[in-house]
Amino acid sequence: DVKVTQSSRYLVKRTGEKVFLECVQDMDHENMFWYRQDPGLGLRLIYFSYDVKMKEKGDIPEGYSVSREKKERFSLILESASTNQTSMYLCASSYGDRWNEKLFFGSGTQLSVL
Amino acid sequence: AQTVTQSQPEMSVQEAETVTLSCTYDTSENNYYLFWYKQPPSRQMILVIRQEAYKQQNATENRFSVNFQKAAKSFSLKISDSQLGDTAMYFCAFGRVTSGSRLTFGEGTQLTVNP
Repeated sequence: DVKVTQSSRYLVKRTGEKVFLECVQDMDHENMFWYRQDPGLGLRLIYFSYDVKMKEKGDIPEGYSVSREKKERFSLILESASTNQTSMYLCASSYGDRWNEKLFFGSGTQLSVL
Repeated sequence: AQTVTQSQPEMSVQEAETVTLSCTYDTSENNYYLFWYKQPPSRQMILVIRQEAYKQQNATENRFSVNFQKAAKSFSLKISDSQLGDTAMYFCAFGRVTSGSRLTFGEGTQLTVNP
């Protein structure tokens, strides 16, 4: 089975800290995504990547950056965490060349910024 | 931009009964695809069912089926013989053919199956 692993299930950080959320997938997927999930808003796309060292902004990229130095790893970076970034963060991956391919998700990181 | 709307934040159903979750979407595209994803309390999101817009036949996966009305831009999920394990948050999602796996999700519907 495909496995998408997020490094932390729960994380508590302070305002202004630099935060790294890590995601690793083990099935050689080309595509990787970062979403945030908030009650009443569903999932919103932050950034995605279709290849190593490639990144594209999603719908809400402000305050975030990403890094994809290796195919299996996609990191989300909060340069200076703020309280409005308290949320559930979900990483996902998929195969690259099929447009209707399903996403495989990690179990999420619940981030609290105090 | 595409939008996906799930107008039912919460629903409940008795075990063994049938329930339908609603989803509408807005797009000017003609070729696209639609998904229903399930997120149980474990938070592990999994695919329930998918539908390609060019297919007229509604998709079915065991107890799960969809009612896809392209003209009305409606994509509802029917769960038959509901089981306790169906308790989860359900998300409807829209994908453009030209956008690869990038999806737009709805707000979600929390379904509770009661014994």
